[in-house]
Amino acid sequence: AQKITQTQPGMFVQEKEAVTLDCTYDTSDQSYGLFWYKQPSSGEMIFLIYQGSYDEQNATEGRYSLNFQKARKSANLVISASQLGDSAMYFCAMEYGNKLVFGAGTILRVKS
Amino acid sequence: GAVVSQHPSWVICKSGTSVKIECRSLDFQATTMFWYRQFPKQSLMLMATSNEGSKATYEQGVEKDKFLINHASLTLSTLTVTSAHPEDSSFYICSARTGGVKKTQYFGPGTRLLVL
Repeated sequence: AQKITQTQPGMFVQEKEAVTLDCTYDTSDQSYGLFWYKQPSSGEMIFLIYQGSYDEQNATEGRYSLNFQKARKSANLVISASQLGDSAMYFCAMEYGNKLVFGAGTILRVKS
Repeated sequence: GAVVSQHPSWVICKSGTSVKIECRSLDFQATTMFWYRQFPKQSLMLMATSNEGSKATYEQGVEKDKFLINHASLTLSTLTVTSAHPEDSSFYICSARTGGVKKTQYFGPGTRLLVL
């Protein structure tokens, strides 16, 4: 069965610094996709970044990058130059078939 | 990214009434849409997969007769919570899956349901 683990319930980061949010996964599939979503207090789920299991390069989208270590089954999200607006809940998710399974989430608070 | 809308964003209803929530993909066609439920400070739990032109596929433990799903067109899926009770109060979010090489799920803004 597919499983996503986010071990950090909450994280603090100083504005303008980088922060890494951890995500490990468990699957026996060879082909899978990994996602990160941001959920601010408004509740909407904002797609941030996607990594395919066969992608050789780590995915990057602006200030977001995904540190994909396939052998360790980890897909950590790195946010560079944190901004106050980055304060939100962050979910790691894995796609199996066409469904998504989510981790428990990490609350990120950016301090000024 | 793709745009998914949801309506209504908030609904308060009396116990025993039915509530319909709409999910629309605004700028792409979605043969598959998904309905999630999220309790406060918890993760999203998939309720069902909505397939255009066919019956929805429900996750284990989700009552089909309680949560009716209709995917009438390539851009619209509806979730009807029938005979709602206070324990059905939750945040309901839909998503739609794009095609192409990078198949990504885009989420609607969610609907907060409060059953009194």
